Amino acid sequence: EDKVVQSPLSLVVHEGDTVTLNCSYEVTNFRSLLWYKQEKKAPTFLFMLTSSGIEKKSGRLSSILDKKELFSILNITATQTGDSAVYLCAVDNFSNDYKLSFGAGTTVTVRA
Amino acid sequence: NAGVTQTPKFQVLKTGQSMTLQCAQDMNHEYMSWYRQDPGMGLRLIHYSVGAGITDQGEVPNGYNVSRSTTEDFPLRLLSAAPSQTSVYFCASSQQLGVDYGYTFGSGTRLTVV
Repeated sequence: EDKVVQSPLSLVVHEGDTVTLNCSYEVTNFRSLLWYKQEKKAPTFLFMLTSSGIEKKSGRLSSILDKKELFSILNITATQTGDSAVYLCAVDNFSNDYKLSFGAGTTVTVRA
Repeated sequence: NAGVTQTPKFQVLKTGQSMTLQCAQDMNHEYMSWYRQDPGMGLRLIHYSVGAGITDQGEVPNGYNVSRSTTEDFPLRLLSAAPSQTSVYFCASSQQLGVDYGYTFGSGTRLTVV
């Protein structure tokens, strides 16, 4: 069974701080790892990572994958109150017909 | 372009009642799936479909049925609601994984079973 573990479960920071979120995984036939941001409603897609060591970047958010050590990190720099959300990590398995296995999420609270 | 539309947004059921959660997408996506989200447990896959006429079970299928008669629609049926099915339900669709947009999620249905 695929396993995705996110840490920490929650954290509180102040505006301007940098946040690092962790996602470790165990899958039999890894294809890709995805990060989502969930505010009040539906998760919204952030990044998909398939290759090790290549950083994906979007504004103040960036993510990198380490396929040897089986983890990914999501960084948020110069945090803003709008970054407050649950961040979800999911992995996709070659033999799993596009089924994603999700971690429990990390709740980030950014205080003004 | 509406994306993925879920109805209703909120529902309260009595134990033993049945109901259907609706999901429709207008992006001509082949892949559709239903997840439930419970506190501390992330999103868990209930059922999924890789195309019209094809469905399969996910991680937590018991108590739920699905069908996919058209590309656009993927309803989720609760056969006899139980308090353990109190959750937030998300429908998601994707043209194909492996390109940089992942799944598109609907806005969710919050279901309470009393």
